[in-house]
Amino acid sequence: GENVEQHPSTLSVQEGDSAVIKCTYSDSASNYFPWYKQELGKRPQLIIDIRSNVGEKKDQRIAVTLNKTAKHFSLHITETQPEDSAVYFCAASIKGGGADGLTFGKGTHLIIQP
Amino acid sequence: GAVVSQHPSWVICKSGTSVKIECRSLDFQATTMFWYRQFPKQSLMLMATSNEGSKATYEQGVEKDKFLINHASLTLSTLTVTSAHPEDSSFYICSARDLPGRANEKLFFGSGTQLSVL
Repeated sequence: GENVEQHPSTLSVQEGDSAVIKCTYSDSASNYFPWYKQELGKRPQLIIDIRSNVGEKKDQRIAVTLNKTAKHFSLHITETQPEDSAVYFCAASIKGGGADGLTFGKGTHLIIQP
Repeated sequence: GAVVSQHPSWVICKSGTSVKIECRSLDFQATTMFWYRQFPKQSLMLMATSNEGSKATYEQGVEKDKFLINHASLTLSTLTVTSAHPEDSSFYICSARDLPGRANEKLFFGSGTQLSVL
């Protein structure tokens, strides 16, 4: 089955700096890659996703890049703010086009230092 | 985005009792819902896929007789933890696809249920 590796497990950055979280996946058939943000005790919130027919997607301060050849994708957060502190999960779908069978990475605890 | 409601948000029960958790899609029909389990500071682990009108599909290692899933309507799936024990204590969270089968479908999560078994 699909295996998703996520790094780093903890990331601490100064407020205003950029943060990058990286994930790799094993199944070349995966073609849907969402990112979720989860605050303590709350539900994961979808913040951005990308499908394999594009290499990059941006939404304000958040961007995701995908390298299908290398089978890795990354989350980029620019101009970080205190409210960006949370756990971020990447995921990959083993079925074409949709959200079925999402395999999650282990998560990255992002800490924004004031 | 689509709204998925989950109840209760937390429950404390005695060992040996059963606990039912409800997951509802409020503004869309969900033919498929997913149940995840999350331990503290760990990732989400898929337990089972709940299909409306048919049996759930369980992931390897998940006891179907322990975790009963019923998806009787297009907007409601329930997870019942039977004869709960302390090791079943965890954060249980459901999710649903808003546009199943569509190219732009997305997965939305319920608010989760923190189960504590004494």
